[in-house]
Amino acid sequence: ETGVTQTPRHLVMGMTNKKSLKCEQHLGHNAMYWYKQSAKKPLELMFVYNFKEQTENNSVPSRFSPECPNSSHLFLHLHTLQPEDSALYLCASSQEGGRGNEQFFGPGTRLTVL
Amino acid sequence: KQEVTQIPAALSVPEGENLVLNCSFTDSAIYNLQWFRQDPGKGLTSLLLIQSSQREQTSGRLNASLDKSSGRSTLYIAASQPGDSATYLCAVRLRSGAGSYQLTFGKGTKLSVIP
Repeated sequence: ETGVTQTPRHLVMGMTNKKSLKCEQHLGHNAMYWYKQSAKKPLELMFVYNFKEQTENNSVPSRFSPECPNSSHLFLHLHTLQPEDSALYLCASSQEGGRGNEQFFGPGTRLTVL
Repeated sequence: KQEVTQIPAALSVPEGENLVLNCSFTDSAIYNLQWFRQDPGKGLTSLLLIQSSQREQTSGRLNASLDKSSGRSTLYIAASQPGDSATYLCAVRLRSGAGSYQLTFGKGTKLSVIP
């Protein structure tokens, strides 16, 4: 266990559904991240939150909407997704401003869009 | 734009062998480099973090080196075991500016250790 948990672990949704992915970190970190891992492609950063403020959005379509209510929780709200959005979505956290800035990852949510 | 390449894409070795995984990156102005392990369908486990000022880091049977000027890192695994079978990912973080929080990943090396 890395101290980063994600729910659900698996999700199947239709293109018209609305769902949310949840991430919680128990490490006392101040930054949280969403990454996407598609088959045969490197991991891609989607969003970064530092002290609950979104600092980066890597040109992610608006059908993905992040929310960071506090420094321990991060959500990814999904609506009207496309089949090509099927992927493993990984959450990570780090302590910024100190030594290391090592990123720790959760187990991921395997998303299938039908 | 930072690009990370990992060679080979897949590697199969007999148990007990020592092995080296390679990672190269195009922009040498990095903040740090991390090596991860990923088991099938699972998240990433951080193995080693090397700061830009360091040359190597060691953890158990793992040793990672960094040559920033040439844009290379290697992960050395000693006395490989079947439990080491996984995909190994290299990721670099830029020093500053836009995308400074971002880890840029390679596609990984899939390692199989044969009993």
